[in-house]
Amino acid sequence: DAGVTQSPTHLIKTRGQHVTLRCSPISGHKSVSWYQQVLGQGPQFIFQYYEKEERGRGNFPDRFSARQFPNYSSELNVNALLLGDSALYLCASSPQGTSYNSPLHFGNGTRLTVT
Amino acid sequence: AQRVTQPEKLLSVFKGAPVELKCNYSYSGSPELFWYVQYSRQRLQLLLRHISRESIKGFTADLNKGETSFHLKKPFAQEEDSAMYYCALSGHGFGNEKLTFGTGTRLTIIP
Repeated sequence: DAGVTQSPTHLIKTRGQHVTLRCSPISGHKSVSWYQQVLGQGPQFIFQYYEKEERGRGNFPDRFSARQFPNYSSELNVNALLLGDSALYLCASSPQGTSYNSPLHFGNGTRLTVT
Repeated sequence: AQRVTQPEKLLSVFKGAPVELKCNYSYSGSPELFWYVQYSRQRLQLLLRHISRESIKGFTADLNKGETSFHLKKPFAQEEDSAMYYCALSGHGFGNEKLTFGTGTRLTIIP
């Protein structure tokens, strides 16, 4: 079963740098969402894309951006990294754009450490 | 604003004893409620959702709109239930379908 795949698994960056995280959804899934999970907290919504269009955006600064490609894979970009951006970044896919009748399937995440 | 509260960060229960993980929510409307679980070294996965009204691995959860609660229950705990449990909610309509998670409860089943 090829689940949601994320790359890289771990990443160490310095303050001020930028980072690109990648996500491949389950085959046939058209929606991709990104979540940030800080240690000791639940995942926090960053973005949702469906059919290559942004469908939702969480309360994150403009330093965070994302896009979805024609093959439904997605990238999350973070510019001007801060120490507080250190977290586990989770990607989730679903067949449709709605959460309630199209449950999310999560990847293993990318662990980002900013020093 | 939507909010999910899980008051217990840690919960230890003896094997065979009943389990109840508490979840309260705040949402101006009719939300959809979910429980997600993360077992050791595994990815976050859906356990159950209230619209399905199903029992998964012996767990059930009833949505109480009066008390704005969605507590997760199991009558007899098993060792394999040890995991991190997250309660989550979503709204309806374009732009409201994001999941809002609680801070999670780590459940440990004592043999």
